[in-house]
Amino acid sequence: DVKVTQSSRYLVKRTGEKVFLECVQDMDHENMFWYRQDPGLGLRLIYFSYDVKMKEKGDIPEGYSVSREKKERFSLILESASTNQTSMYLCASSTGRSSNQPQHFGDGTRLSIL
Amino acid sequence: RKEVEQDPGPFNVPEGATVAFNCTYSNSASQSFFWYRQDCRKEPKLLMSVYSSGNEDGRFTAQLNRASQYISLLIRDSKLSDSATYLCVVESGGSYIPTFGRGTSLIVHP
Repeated sequence: DVKVTQSSRYLVKRTGEKVFLECVQDMDHENMFWYRQDPGLGLRLIYFSYDVKMKEKGDIPEGYSVSREKKERFSLILESASTNQTSMYLCASSTGRSSNQPQHFGDGTRLSIL
Repeated sequence: RKEVEQDPGPFNVPEGATVAFNCTYSNSASQSFFWYRQDCRKEPKLLMSVYSSGNEDGRFTAQLNRASQYISLLIRDSKLSDSATYLCVVESGGSYIPTFGRGTSLIVHP
């Protein structure tokens, strides 16, 4: 079974702090994704990566950056946290660049910015 | 127009009922289709892929209608444990980036 592990289930930070969310997958997947999920808005893609050191902006990249130094790890960084970044953050991975490959999600991190 | 649209529900059905959800997509070049299930405050989990010929997994049947650009999910003999949000996911050929619907909420009551 694919295992996608997010570093924290719950996190509370203060406005202006730099926040790191970590995600690790153990199936040698090429593709990794960061989403946020808010009530009524569904899943929104923040950033994704097809390969090590490669990153692409998703639909809502403002206020975020990412890092993929190793294939198994994809980090999401909130450069200066703001209250509107309070949300559920979900990491996902999928294999290869062929179609019909589903994503596998981590448990999610509930982040609160005070 | 949203790329992937779902009726948010909730669909409120008694145990044992048959319930069906539809999901429409706007990109005719879409190639891959999935249904995910998401329980409250949990991550989405793959329920089933949707193949052109349709597919069945126990009480669940998924179908694709390319001409009308929708996929469907049929749940027979609903159980209390089927209560969840069902997410429709569509992936366009060449992008490898899936687009998620906002989900349909199902509540199965005794």
